[in-house]
Amino acid sequence: GAGVSQTPSNKVTEKGKYVELRCDPISGHTALYWYRQSLGQGPEFLIYFQGTGAADDSGLPNDRFFAVRPEGSVSTLKIQRTERGDSAVYLCASSLQGQGRSNEQFFGPGTRLTVL
Amino acid sequence: AQSVTQLGSHVSVSEGALVLLRCNYSSSVPPYLFWYVQYPNQGLQLLLKYTSAATLVKGINGFEAEFKKSETSFHLTKPSAHMSDAAEYFCAVSGASSNTGKLIFGQGTTLQVKP
Repeated sequence: GAGVSQTPSNKVTEKGKYVELRCDPISGHTALYWYRQSLGQGPEFLIYFQGTGAADDSGLPNDRFFAVRPEGSVSTLKIQRTERGDSAVYLCASSLQGQGRSNEQFFGPGTRLTVL
Repeated sequence: AQSVTQLGSHVSVSEGALVLLRCNYSSSVPPYLFWYVQYPNQGLQLLLKYTSAATLVKGINGFEAEFKKSETSFHLTKPSAHMSDAAEYFCAVSGASSNTGKLIFGQGTTLQVKP
C-alpha cells in the first residue's frame, strides 16, 4: 500500500519568503508528526497531531512556524519569513494511533528546504 | 528528560564482519527504544523496537539489539555485514508522556561497508 508522501521533495526559496510543505499520511492513521533534520543531525520533533488537533506543538522553534491538519488527514507545515537557519529536511511521519509510547511511526521521504 | 547518545558518527566495517552500532539513552521513565535506518533519499524505516518485553530484540535484515538497563544501552548488532547495509542509523527513545508518541533521536551513525 501507499506510504507517507511529502511534497515537494525539494524547495528552494529566498530569505523572507513564505513556504508550505505538504504531508499525506498513510490512510487511516490518526496520528501525524513533523520533524526537522538538519545536516549531520538526527530528526528533531516539531509537532504532533491526533486527528485534526495539534496535541503537542512544543517542538516548534518560534511563531514563524505553524501547521494544520483541517480534515484529520493531509497536513501542511507553514513557515513565514523564512531564514537561512530554516534550511533542513522536514520529515513527516504517521502512526496508527499516537497515544502510547511504543507505536511505530512510518516516515515519508522528506522535503529538503533550502533558504538562500 | 529523554536523550540519546550514539557513539561514533561513522563506522566502517568490511563485508562479512560484525556490525556494532552503539546507543546509550537517558530516560526519566521506563524507556521505549527504537532503531531506524535511513537510506539515501528515502524515509526512515523501523529496524526494531524495545517495549519492555524481551531484552534481546530481533529486527529486520538480520539486525538485533539488546536492552541493558544497568548500562543504559541499546546497541545494534548484525553478525555479518552486507554491502546493502550501508546507510545512516538512528537510535531513538520515546518521549516521557504517554499522551504523545514523539521520538527523541540520536545524532545518527553512518555505516560504511567495504568490499
